[in-house]
Amino acid sequence: GAGVSQSPSNKVTEKGKDVELRCDPISGHTALYWYRQRLGQGLEFLIYFQGNSAPDKSGLPSDRFSAERTGESVSTLTIQRTQQEDSAVYLCASPQWAANTEAFFGQGTRLTVV
Amino acid sequence: DQQVKQNSPSLSVQEGRISILNCDYTNSMFDYFLWYKKYPAEGPTFLISISSIKDKNEDGRFTVFLNKSAKHLSLHIVPSQPGDSAVYFCAAIHSGTYKYIFGTGTRLKVLA
Repeated sequence: GAGVSQSPSNKVTEKGKDVELRCDPISGHTALYWYRQRLGQGLEFLIYFQGNSAPDKSGLPSDRFSAERTGESVSTLTIQRTQQEDSAVYLCASPQWAANTEAFFGQGTRLTVV
Repeated sequence: DQQVKQNSPSLSVQEGRISILNCDYTNSMFDYFLWYKKYPAEGPTFLISISSIKDKNEDGRFTVFLNKSAKHLSLHIVPSQPGDSAVYFCAAIHSGTYKYIFGTGTRLKVLA
């Protein structure tokens, strides 16, 4: 597609439920990043994909968080048993290739855990 | 450990004047720096970048300066326009890690 697309744009969920966030990166871009921004905070790195593998998942805050990527395209970030501290805007970024180039961001998914 | 710091959470500037946004970093391994602009309810959009082999990069009204010895970079916007009002994030990356590290952002308000 023309840009990075994320869905849903907004998600309200009850504490303890699982959520799936989706990212459609720019076609042909091999690298993909997930970040999140909690209220009043900067962008926090979660995970980086090169192709379908994740060489760096050091930013995932707990084992409740997981992500996968298939077909060197769509990525899904899953949060199990959501907690209120998971509330944030989750952003997906798709550089043309990893590092040293601008990363194009999607509009984000605003997750609210109530 | 905050490796990229933007110490000014907000900045107000009169239209037509210069806006200077500052960013400090601690990791001397960073070799590429970027500035992003973010409007509410939108993802960050790339603005301008600079490699560590340069000390200045200019693109229209936007100029980024890099002072490696001070581990400091700044974004200059001249002249500032009301449409520039947004949150500005600086980011740094060490190509060996492929991880962009972002600052906490500076909210710029350009007053008409």
